[in-house]
Amino acid sequence: QVQLVQSGPEVKKPGSSVKVSCKASGGTFNTYAVSWVRQAPGQGLEWMGGMIAIFGTPNYAQKFQGRLTITMDEPTSTAYMELSSLRSEDTAVYYCARGHYYGSGSYFNDPWGQGTLVTVSS
Amino acid sequence: DIVVTQSPDSLAVSLGERATINCKSSQSVLYSSNNKNYLAWYQQKPGQPPKLLIYWASTRESGVPDRFSGSGSGTDFTLTISSLQAEDVAVYYCQQYYSTPPLFGGGTKVEIK
Repeated sequence: QVQLVQSGPEVKKPGSSVKVSCKASGGTFNTYAVSWVRQAPGQGLEWMGGMIAIFGTPNYAQKFQGRLTITMDEPTSTAYMELSSLRSEDTAVYYCARGHYYGSGSYFNDPWGQGTLVTVSS
Repeated sequence: DIVVTQSPDSLAVSLGERATINCKSSQSVLYSSNNKNYLAWYQQKPGQPPKLLIYWASTRESGVPDRFSGSGSGTDFTLTISSLQAEDVAVYYCQQYYSTPPLFGGGTKVEIK
């Protein structure tokens, strides 16, 4: 059974960047997708972007265009999310999830990583 | 973008009673080529990541108790917990995956009355 293991918590200064990793243990992303979703304190789920492995081209939510980079390293079954120009409003728990894609539309997510808390503070 | 709106924002239900959560999409999420509704439901307990409960609007994920059921088609969907248990206290989210961005609803918090 695949598990997604994310990198540890980060504390960053405004204006800097953060890179979070997500490793698939006991499985791969090869025939799947990866989603990145964040959750600000006390708030709901916000889809940031994702990538379908067989296509290799990421999609980003409009609000993150230009600041977000999603990559995937298939040999190590690891996905990465890098967010730049950080501001205090980016303080949140960031989740990766394996996406199930069936040849059309987008994808639903299962399983999810444990989450990575990113705190942006001066 | 296809926006999904959940209601209510929260509800309190007695143990053993039925809980019903609604989700409405701004456009149909029924794909005509395969007759599937591209809608999923997730459960998130405090301090935990979300967990997939239902996909294709009504297909229960393996291991999910059968008191959870999903129904609906097109733009209107429902998640029903037939007999609420203490361990079902959580926030529930719907998500459309018909198109990108695959947006989530705002969540419904379920508590014990």
